[in-house]
Amino acid sequence: DSGVTQTPKHLITATGQRVTLRCSPRSGDLSVYWYQQSLDQGLQFLIQYYNGEERAKGNILERFSAQQFPDLHSELNLSSLELGDSALYFCASSVASTHEQYFGPGTRLTVT
Amino acid sequence: GIQVEQSPPDLILQEGANSTLRCNFSDSVNNLQWFHQNPWGQLINLFYIPSGTKQNGRLSATTVATERYSLLYISSSQTTDSGVYFCAPRGLLNEKLTFGTGTRLTIIP
Repeated sequence: DSGVTQTPKHLITATGQRVTLRCSPRSGDLSVYWYQQSLDQGLQFLIQYYNGEERAKGNILERFSAQQFPDLHSELNLSSLELGDSALYFCASSVASTHEQYFGPGTRLTVT
Repeated sequence: GIQVEQSPPDLILQEGANSTLRCNFSDSVNNLQWFHQNPWGQLINLFYIPSGTKQNGRLSATTVATERYSLLYISSSQTTDSGVYFCAPRGLLNEKLTFGTGTRLTIIP
């Protein structure tokens, strides 16, 4: 158990819908990262938040957005869902001193 | 951004065998992590290894940052070692990890 929690574990929804994925980092970690793992793109970085502020952006679609709240949990919002958004979405948090990242169990999103 | 190549892409071994997985990366890095993704999809931290050699039980890893590669050694393989192994370096300019395409390891009893 990495100490990073993600909910829900599985999500099945229809095209055009909107979903919210939730992540709680390890105690004391200020940085939260979101990654997407799909069959065609592999594991790729989406976005990073540090202590409530956006710090870095990767290959994140405009239909996707994220935020980090004062209690440091983070949410990833996916809207106007398409079949191609079906993937495993991971959240990670990192140790401040080394930036070593620990990953949550992931949310498996299926868009039908 | 950093390009990451892992080899071999697939490896099938008998239980008890040893293996070496390689990760090449294209640019200077601040650190590098190795992960094991088990059949249930979980990403498990194996090593945080910006340089040098570390050992943890039957696993060890070596990173030669100046030559831009890292190696993961697995000895006396067990069926529970099956899964996909990823290396993920972190570049100098930001904190994101860049993942390779992984090595899929299958251990046959």
